[in-house]
Parts: sequence; structure tokens; C-alpha cells
Amino acid sequence: GAVVSQHPSWVICKSGTSVKIECRSLDFQATTMFWYRQFPKQSLMLMATSNEGSKATYEQGVEKDKFLINHASLTLSTLTVTSAHPEDSSFYICSAPRMGWAYNEQFFGPGTRLTVL
Amino acid sequence: AQSVTQLDSQVPVFEEAPVELRCNYSSSVSVYLFWYVQYPNQGLQLLLKYLSGSTLVKGINGFEAEFNKSQTSFHLRKPSVHISDTAEYFCAVTPNSGGSNYKLTFGKGTLLTVNP
Repeated sequence: GAVVSQHPSWVICKSGTSVKIECRSLDFQATTMFWYRQFPKQSLMLMATSNEGSKATYEQGVEKDKFLINHASLTLSTLTVTSAHPEDSSFYICSAPRMGWAYNEQFFGPGTRLTVL
Repeated sequence: AQSVTQLDSQVPVFEEAPVELRCNYSSSVSVYLFWYVQYPNQGLQLLLKYLSGSTLVKGINGFEAEFNKSQTSFHLRKPSVHISDTAEYFCAVTPNSGGSNYKLTFGKGTLLTVNP
């Protein structure tokens, strides 16, 4: 099956610093990628839709200036958490749909655990 | 808009027992339905999906689910569970209309714990 990778798998940073998380589709091209946030023992909440070559679309309540998304190529999207604070600590997961004839199945990355001290 | 309700937040069972994880959805349009599994500190893996056709779908690891349109349900079942099935299970839906078949709406998840 298709593979989506994320880097880093975990990161610890100090409050006030910025952290960049990469999401790559390894064996297919993805014009769209999705970024989710998951708090402990909770479901995935869609944060934004990353669009190659254009601005990301953010879900209601997500601060676009805090969570910067760049979709630099057909295989890479990055999420930068700017001026991170402890409340930003979470598990961040990306996904990418792969074109299919009936349905564009989404493939998920393994996630990035962010801990802000 | 769509919503997904997973009726049980936790389901403990003994090894080799059968299990059913319940999922109901609400949508004003037709949807595709999915079950994903998440092991600790990992991303999501697709167990099975319903797109069209037979309402009984079979997935990986011996799981199956049945789509019931009248009851708007998509319950997940396995006749005999293993310790290794211990994980979080998410039900999800997406509209099946053209270009909007990307965004997934997830339920809150059901933690399946298989005890020896």
C-alpha cells in the first residue's frame, strides 16, 4: 500500500520556540494533504487542508498564524507550530489521499508527538 | 455536515471471545464509511471500508462490518479476538459526492482491550 511518512516522530521543545513537522507521500503524489491533531484518548480533529501551490484551508477555530502550513511539492507538506506553548502539546497526524477510480483512499502518517515544556 | 457516534468508549473482552464495536452516523448526503485502527503512538491503519455494493464488508485481521442504511449504522465485528487486537478503533465517514470525498469525520473512538 501507499506510504506516508512524518518527521520527526517525536519532538520536545521549549515554550516560545517554533517546531516544523514534515509529511511526505513516499510513493504517490498528493495535491492535497490533511493535518490532524489528537489529544490523549480523543479522536482526530481536522486542523487544516494543505493544498499544493495554494494557501491552506483551516478549520474553524484553528489559528492560521500559529499553525503555518506549506505544501511545497506534490509529495511534501509541512506544519510549523510557531511560538509553541504547553497547550500545543499533542499528537499531530497527517494524511494524504491517493487517486483511485472510485474513491481517493487516505493514507495516514505515523504521527508526531509534540511536547512543549 | 456529517457526524459519527461510537456508542462505547471502552470495550473489554477476553481473548477468543467475539466482539462488536458500534458506530452510527448522521449525514444529509450519501457517505462512504470506514473503520480505522490505531495502535499506541502510531498513525491510523484502514481496517475496512464500505463504498457501495454488498453491505457486508470484510477487512484485514479477520474484521468485518455491516452497513445498515435504515439504521445508519456500520458496526464492526470479529468472531474471535486476539491480544494483539488491543487498540483504539475509529469509525469515520466522508461524503461520496465527487471532489468532497476527501474530508473524513471521525467518531470519538472505542478502546478495545483484549484480556487473557
